[in-house]
Amino acid sequence: GQQLNQSPQSMFIQEGEDVSMNCTSSSIFNTWLWYKQEPGEGPVLLIALYKAGELTSNGRLTAQFGITRKDSFLNISASIPSDVGIYFCAGPLKTSYDKVIFGPGTSLSVIP
Amino acid sequence: GAGVSQTPSNKVTEKGKYVELRCDPISGHTALYWYRQSLGQGPEFLIYFQGTGAADDSGLPNDRFFAVRPEGSVSTLKIQRTERGDSAVYLCASSQVAGSLYEQYFGPGTRLTVT
Repeated sequence: GQQLNQSPQSMFIQEGEDVSMNCTSSSIFNTWLWYKQEPGEGPVLLIALYKAGELTSNGRLTAQFGITRKDSFLNISASIPSDVGIYFCAGPLKTSYDKVIFGPGTSLSVIP
Repeated sequence: GAGVSQTPSNKVTEKGKYVELRCDPISGHTALYWYRQSLGQGPEFLIYFQGTGAADDSGLPNDRFFAVRPEGSVSTLKIQRTERGDSAVYLCASSQVAGSLYEQYFGPGTRLTVT
């Protein structure tokens, strides 16, 4: 079935550094979603991508929909302590557009 | 406005007991989703409702799990004969209507621990 893989699994960076993480799948996705989850909270949608090659920004966050439709990237520029959390990529199943599957997440720690 | 709320925030129960987890979606949202999140994993789809009916319950792991949404608003996830493997955070989300084009708003989750 469709599965998502994320790398790296975890990151420890200095405040001010840029961050890059990615999400890959063996199957084609028509939508890519990036969520952030902080401890004790549910995930919050950061960016949604709907078209192959699309590049979308949300403040210091930029995400890209890979042209093969099998991957997506999330970049965070000039990281700050509040960027700490787990970042999930997600996308709808081919068999049921209403159901979304999530990757295992990338845990980000920012050292002040 | 109020977001998605879930009660209780934490639930500890003994193996074999029955538990109910409640979700209050954002007012006016017709779609409601339940997910299970194990430690170190992303949320895993369980079931979703469009209105009062379960539109897709294919993610429920077995017949010990059941969910209802009788009036199209509040939903209850019910787990019978709990097992230690059921321990996880159960997340609820709602959206204006069903479909991945519509943002899902998540609640903070209920952490279930089965001892």
